[in-house]
Amino acid sequence: DAGVIQSPRHEVTEMGQEVTLRCKPISGHNSLFWYRQTMMRGLELLIYFNNNVPIDDSGMPEDRFSAKMPNASFSTLKIQPSEPRDSAVYFCASSSILTSGSYNEQFFGPGTRLTVL
Amino acid sequence: AQSVTQPDIHITVSEGASLELRCNYSYGATPYLFWYVQSPGQGLQLLLKYFSGDTLVQGIKGFEAEFKRSQSSFNLRKPSVHWSDAAEYFCAVGAYTGNQFYFGTGTSLTVIP
Repeated sequence: DAGVIQSPRHEVTEMGQEVTLRCKPISGHNSLFWYRQTMMRGLELLIYFNNNVPIDDSGMPEDRFSAKMPNASFSTLKIQPSEPRDSAVYFCASSSILTSGSYNEQFFGPGTRLTVL
Repeated sequence: AQSVTQPDIHITVSEGASLELRCNYSYGATPYLFWYVQSPGQGLQLLLKYFSGDTLVQGIKGFEAEFKRSQSSFNLRKPSVHWSDAAEYFCAVGAYTGNQFYFGTGTSLTVIP
């Protein structure tokens, strides 16, 4: 398996522009997580999906952020409009749900480094 | 409330020395426990995990961790550190039941020659 795939790996954009980050989870995984990592705030969980359904989006910083998972093999995180404070590395991770209802380990993608000028 | 604490923000060790990174968790039920490593510019990679059974868990790259329920700890150890181990290390706890997964704030490891 190719692992979790994220694109683009780097994104530089100007303030006010729309940014779309993409993620392809590992085949067979039924949970997907979006994280943001910054020096100041560390690793933050933004939102996660189980079986393509958003379960908890309480980590999404504000309405400018939205995430979708139209099918089991694809998810997007959109920022519109983008602001300089959104500059960070955004990680996607996928996992499988165990029979107990808990999660197996999460597998992380390489991340998208976003710079908003 | 559930939480994971990594009390050491930054640790420096000499190459060849032993290493222990601390992790304490607060969780009311039986936890699943994980250690991840993040090299500069990379994503997080799983080092090891504990679900049940033997409380001493072996992982990749020569790392091990010991689950101590009485101390609510899951400390990561390595007997002899290599320069390539310099990275950020994250402890994480998952619920035995239910959809929760929490990461600690990370410990940055520097290895000096």
